[in-house]
This record gives sequence, structure tokens and C-alpha cells, in this order.
Amino acid sequence: EDQVTQSPEALRLQEGESSSLNCSYTVSGLRGLFWYRQDPGKGPEFLFTLYSAGEEKEKERLKATLTKKESFLHITAPKPEDSATYLCAVGFSSGSARQLTFGSGTQLTVLP
Amino acid sequence: NAGVTQTPKFRVLKTGQSMTLLCAQDMNHEYMYWYRQDPGMGLRLIHYSVGEGTTAKGEVPDGYNVSRLKKQNFLLGLESAAPSQTSVYFCASHKTGAAYEQYFGPGTRLTVT
Repeated sequence: EDQVTQSPEALRLQEGESSSLNCSYTVSGLRGLFWYRQDPGKGPEFLFTLYSAGEEKEKERLKATLTKKESFLHITAPKPEDSATYLCAVGFSSGSARQLTFGSGTQLTVLP
Repeated sequence: NAGVTQTPKFRVLKTGQSMTLLCAQDMNHEYMYWYRQDPGMGLRLIHYSVGEGTTAKGEVPDGYNVSRLKKQNFLLGLESAAPSQTSVYFCASHKTGAAYEQYFGPGTRLTVT
């Protein structure tokens, strides 16, 4: 059974204090690793797609990396507006649709 | 574009009552999904649709039914609500060829007492 585990569950950082979020997975036939951002009271918003080990993607202060068993979301010099829950998901094919298995997320709080 | 919209935003039901959640998207997306999100469990797929007139079961379909009569709309029904269906429900859609770049609606918070 595909599993996605995110750690830590919650993280509090001071503004400017860099850190990393972890997403480990066990899947048969990985079809991509995906990061989403979710603000309170809103739906998830797509951030990155990673398909192969060694791949990296960047967007502003965020950088996602992928190995064969885990992905990291590095946050460099975060700002309070980066506070959100970050979800990772792995993709797989089932029938005629592409589906995602989500982790339970890391709630990030960046203090000014 | 409004993107993905959901109606209603909040709802309280009594056990045994029925209701329908409406999802609408104006991006001409073929694929649409219904998820539920519970604390500590992540998003779980209830049902999905790969096009108008088609639906299929996801990971947790029991107690729910869906219909996709029009391409832009995807309805989620609860025929006899149970407290275990208390959750936040999200609808999502994506275009053909961008399978995992899903666009999510704002969610519906449902409480069943």
C-alpha cells in the first residue's frame, strides 16, 4: 500500500531562519512527487512537480528536491507570509485517472 | 475566471439527513475529483470523473454518490448522513495532460450531529 509520511507535523521558525520539511514515501511505481501549499480555510494550491531522483525545483524562497525515498522542501530565509500547511503527494495511475496519495502535511508558522 | 467554486461553504446536518454538494469549474477541465480532509489523515479521494457522464470510486466511496451531468459540474451526494462524514470536502479539477496539477476549490465544512 502506498504511504506518504511528512515530518515534522508542525514547525515554528523565526523570520529569516531557514529549515527543511521532509516527505518520505513508499510506493510501487512512483509517477511523480508533488508539493502543495494550503492556507487556513482554503484549498491546496499546487507548487511543484518532481519526477526523478536528483531533480530540483525552485520558486522564490522554496526549493524542492527528490531522492529515491524522500523529498525535501527547503525554505530559505522565510517570511511570515510563508506560513501555511505544506502537503506532499505521490502520483499513481488507477483505471483511467491519475490519482494522488497525500501526506497529512507540515504546518509551518513563521514568526516576525 | 472563478476557477473551482463549491457550494455551500458550511453546512450542519442531523444524522440521517441528505444533502448535495456542488462543485463548478470554468476552466473546461475534463477531470474532476472529490476529496475529504480530516485532521491527521490528509486528503482522501472519494470519487472522481474523467469526463462528462462518467464517474468512478476512489479510496473512501462508501456513503457517497456522485454525478457529472455537465462537464463543468460535479455533484457529491450524501443520502443518509452519519457523524463519521463530518469533514471538510474539497473538489478539484485538472486538464488533460496535466494530471497532477490539480486546482482545488475553497472547501465545504460539513458537520453531522
